[in-house]
Amino acid sequence: EAGVAQSPRYKIIEKRQSVAFWCNPISGHATLYWYQQILGQGPKLLIQFQNNGVVDDSQLPKDRFSAERLKGVDSTLKIQPAKLEDSAVYLCASSPVGSQVAGELFFGEGSRLTVL
Amino acid sequence: SQQGEEDPQALSIQEGENATMNCSYKTSINNLQWYRQNSGRGLVHLILIRSNEREKHSGRLRVTLDTSKKSSSLLITASRAADTASYFCATDQTGANNLFFGTGTRLTVIP
Repeated sequence: EAGVAQSPRYKIIEKRQSVAFWCNPISGHATLYWYQQILGQGPKLLIQFQNNGVVDDSQLPKDRFSAERLKGVDSTLKIQPAKLEDSAVYLCASSPVGSQVAGELFFGEGSRLTVL
Repeated sequence: SQQGEEDPQALSIQEGENATMNCSYKTSINNLQWYRQNSGRGLVHLILIRSNEREKHSGRLRVTLDTSKKSSSLLITASRAADTASYFCATDQTGANNLFFGTGTRLTVIP
């Protein structure tokens, strides 16, 4: 079974530029998550989708971050304009569980963003 | 904010020794999970323990959960150099359908 695919793996941009990250979850997984992991910290949830609907985006900085999951499959996370503090690894995860209890998450390798 | 906190932040042991990591959290949970992250990689699920369970085993891993103290521990027995990684606990809070990750324990196993 193919895992969660993410691209690009690495991206370097200057502040105020824009960037987009792509994620393709495991086939059949209803729930998709984007996490932000700053160096030395644990992942922090940015947004959660169930199929193509948003379940939780309470921690997404909506003035600069946006995400979509068209057709309930792959997803794109965009940052515009980027700030220095956005330097982090952006992790995508998926889960086959769509109930009220979070089950095991399957993570991609992450996209490492450096903002100069 | 992050839900859990792991203790210690860093742990260095000799190969063959046991490693114990602790996790404390603040609110009621449905389940607690442990993940491993090798440097520069994504997280890999290790084990899930439900709120009505007290202990669970998987290979060389043993997890305990004490909901009265809001704490969990992960024991890795007979450690190997390949166990070198960061370990995170993650809690599924009651009423929420996502995971909140702790700050992690960086484990180094010296061959």
